Amino acid sequence: DQQVKQNSPSLSVQEGRISILNCDYTNSMFDYFLWYKKYPAEGPTFLISISSIKDKNEDGRFTVFLNKSAKHLSLHIVPSQPGDSAVYFCAASFSGNTGKLIFGQGTTLQVKP
Amino acid sequence: NAGVTQTPKFRVLKTGQSMTLLCAQDMNHEYMYWYRQDPGMGLRLIHYSVGEGTTAKGEVPDGYNVSRLKKQNFLLGLESAAPSQTSVYFCASSYDANTEGIFGEGSRLTVL
Repeated sequence: DQQVKQNSPSLSVQEGRISILNCDYTNSMFDYFLWYKKYPAEGPTFLISISSIKDKNEDGRFTVFLNKSAKHLSLHIVPSQPGDSAVYFCAASFSGNTGKLIFGQGTTLQVKP
Repeated sequence: NAGVTQTPKFRVLKTGQSMTLLCAQDMNHEYMYWYRQDPGMGLRLIHYSVGEGTTAKGEVPDGYNVSRLKKQNFLLGLESAAPSQTSVYFCASSYDANTEGIFGEGSRLTVL
């Protein structure tokens, strides 16, 4: 049973536009959420996170929104750049062991010049 | 500062053979993790360690063993490899329980 789901396997956007990546989860006990970015032949790298006590966290071009009632989070990238083309993984965990992650399937983002 | 280093990067095994993947970190991190990534399934936690001499099971531990004899190393062992263990394996480490993990570059294992 997939506790964290990314229902869009791929997304294509034009450079300069907004990219919105979505993630749903089923376990209401998750209280910490993360986004990782992965380039081919490399390991995932941490991008941004959000605690369940917040509904928004921003870091430069990246913003994560959390809707606890809908068990949904999204990652917004504005403006999108070709270098953002990668696989994005949503992950959930429990505070107290934020490295013990439940990952979604990933969404491949392509940003076209 | 190498971060998290995994060896080997690639390995081909025959069914029934054994092997060990080594994860080494030079950041004095307490927590270490082994994940596997399969197509369409994201990454899944195999085993993890919260400190030297400790190990615990993750989401998919069957068929694997681990050891953390030294703080900087976390070994993942396959005693009798099966084709279902064909995957890309990622190691990660974190400073403590509330710090995001840093991942290695991955080890691609093929079991024939």
